[in-house]
Amino acid sequence: DAMVIQNPRYQVTQFGKPVTLSCSQTLNHNVMYWYQQKSSQAPKLLFHYYDKDFNNEADTPDNFQSRRPNTSFCFLDIRSPGLGDAAMYLCATSLIRTDTQYFGPGTRLTVL
Amino acid sequence: GEDVEQSLFLSVREGDSSVINCTYTDSSSTYLYWYKQEPGAGLQLLTYIFSNMDMKQDQRLTVLLNKKDKHLSLRIADTQTGDSAIYFCAESTPSASKIIFGSGTRLSIRP
Repeated sequence: DAMVIQNPRYQVTQFGKPVTLSCSQTLNHNVMYWYQQKSSQAPKLLFHYYDKDFNNEADTPDNFQSRRPNTSFCFLDIRSPGLGDAAMYLCATSLIRTDTQYFGPGTRLTVL
Repeated sequence: GEDVEQSLFLSVREGDSSVINCTYTDSSSTYLYWYKQEPGAGLQLLTYIFSNMDMKQDQRLTVLLNKKDKHLSLRIADTQTGDSAIYFCAESTPSASKIIFGSGTRLSIRP
């Protein structure tokens, strides 16, 4: 089945220790998104890629970076995680920007 | 600006119908979505409606759209314990490169 896969499902890191979260998709969608979601709040968009074109949200901290080496994979890098970065990180894809978004299962990040 | 609002909580008795309401502000919305999120999981697309429709039915789910009032609702018939989750309303517009989520409605089921 075509799907959006996130690894790992649970990630524990130490304060200040860089961490990378992974997302892959078999939908061959052009757009890949990263969201941060805290405590059952609405997902907050961090950035998205339209193909190789990176689009950052204005209020996304510099601590968050992303890479998309090919159509299938997209990574979220947190350079120096703080306690406030503990959250669920959701990856989503869509064929085009305004099209339906399909979400992965999420990675829950814990910062010690 | 774009805004999507939902009530935070809804409690219904098992077997009754649940109605979750949502209002949005952008009249140029093209698609309106309902996503379901169970604890510790990602968002599951439940259903969506195109803005030129006023109703869509899919098994136990009925979506009603009142474009004049910018009001969207999701009705779940014969609510079951497995329907316990947070339900997010969301909209997309031609001008936006993203969809806008509401704050989510937590649906709880009473025996």
